[in-house]
Formats: sequence, structure tokens, C-alpha cells
Amino acid sequence: NAGVTQTPKFQVLKTGQSMTLQCAQDMNHEYMSWYRQDPGMGLRLIHYSVGAGITDQGEVPNGYNVSRSTTEDFPLRLLSAAPSQTSVYFCASAFTQGKGNSPLHFGNGTRLTVT
Amino acid sequence: AQKVTQAQTEISVVEKEDVTLDCVYETRDTTYYLFWYKQPPSGELVFLIRRNSFDEQNEISGRYSWNFQKSTSSFNFTITASQVVDSAVYFCALSLVDTGRRALTFGSGTRLQVQP
Repeated sequence: NAGVTQTPKFQVLKTGQSMTLQCAQDMNHEYMSWYRQDPGMGLRLIHYSVGAGITDQGEVPNGYNVSRSTTEDFPLRLLSAAPSQTSVYFCASAFTQGKGNSPLHFGNGTRLTVT
Repeated sequence: AQKVTQAQTEISVVEKEDVTLDCVYETRDTTYYLFWYKQPPSGELVFLIRRNSFDEQNEISGRYSWNFQKSTSSFNFTITASQVVDSAVYFCALSLVDTGRRALTFGSGTRLQVQP
């Protein structure tokens, strides 16, 4: 049981490049989400999904796209990277039954640097 | 909007000392969940505890204990007899019991350094 797997662990992009951060979970969780962590600011929600085919925006969605074609995968796409997107990105998943009862399980993070 | 404040940016203690990490939250909702997560130097986020707003019982798990006081909107975390392995950044977070967004509002974290 791998839990939540994020790839890559590290990535350096140039301004304007695009890339996809991968997230996969093997716990059959309906709910998946992406957070970014910036120094001194805790984590902030980017996008989330409550099931395959359903996505919605979080607190800081601009510059990011997501899709949820399967229960297991929830990729995060940066269409045109900007230095302000330099951050550590965390994917998280949970069961939705009993909303709020199930704690989020986080991946190990992807450290992204945009130059 | 919700807000979580962890006023202690960094705490340094010597091994075996007790240490309390403070967490104060703001929300207008009457039903919510509070969490503590640990982020060790390796970077992952480790779930420690969840408490719902109707349960003000304090909880103890080994060397860890949590004091939830609705009257002061606080959810403090105490480590008894700290160890070097407790060195990490600790985050307090709040989640509303909503329709599915399940957004966690995080505090800015407290970095705990336990010296040998």
C-alpha cells in the first residue's frame, strides 16, 4: 500500500514552460486535492476533486488546471510557469464519507522552482 | 473566513523538556474540525490528531496531549519529555463541515527544535 505518490520530487522550470505534477493514490479515496506550501504561510488549497469527473477551485487556483479522469489520479498542470509558482506542492486524499471525519493523507511533496 | 494563528514561529528546547505549541483559531461556524500535522525535516506531512468542535475532551497519546478550549478558541499541543525526533514543523489546521470542499485552513506553523 503506497498511499499517496507524487512525482517528480524536484523540478526546475523556466518562466513560460508548462508541466504536470503527478499524484496517484491507491486507497480508493474519493476526495483528492492539491495544496501549495510557501514559507511562513502554511498550506493553501489550489484545486480539489470529490470524485472522478468532478473538480473545483480552492483558495489559489489561478495558473493551475486539474482533471480527474480516474479515482486514482489527480494531476496538476501548470500551463505557463511563473516565478510566483515556486513552491512545494502537496497532493492529499481522503474518504468523503462522513465529511470531515476522515483526515487527509498527504504525499511527500514536489519542490518546484521557476526561474 | 477562517483563520488559524500559530504565534510561535520557532521554539527551541533541550531534550526531556516539556513544550506546548499554541494554536488559536477563528471561525463563525459552530461545527468544524481541528487538526495537528507534523512535518519532519524529510518534508512529508504526518497526521497527528483530529478533534471535532463538539468534543472538548482533552486527549493524550503517549507523550502527546491536546487541550481544546472552545471558550478561548484554542487547540494547544503539548509534548512531554521531548526527544530529538520531535524536531519538526508543526501545523495546526481547521476544516469546516461543509459539502465537500474540505479545505484545511492552516496556520503558518511552529518550528520545534529539540537539542540533545
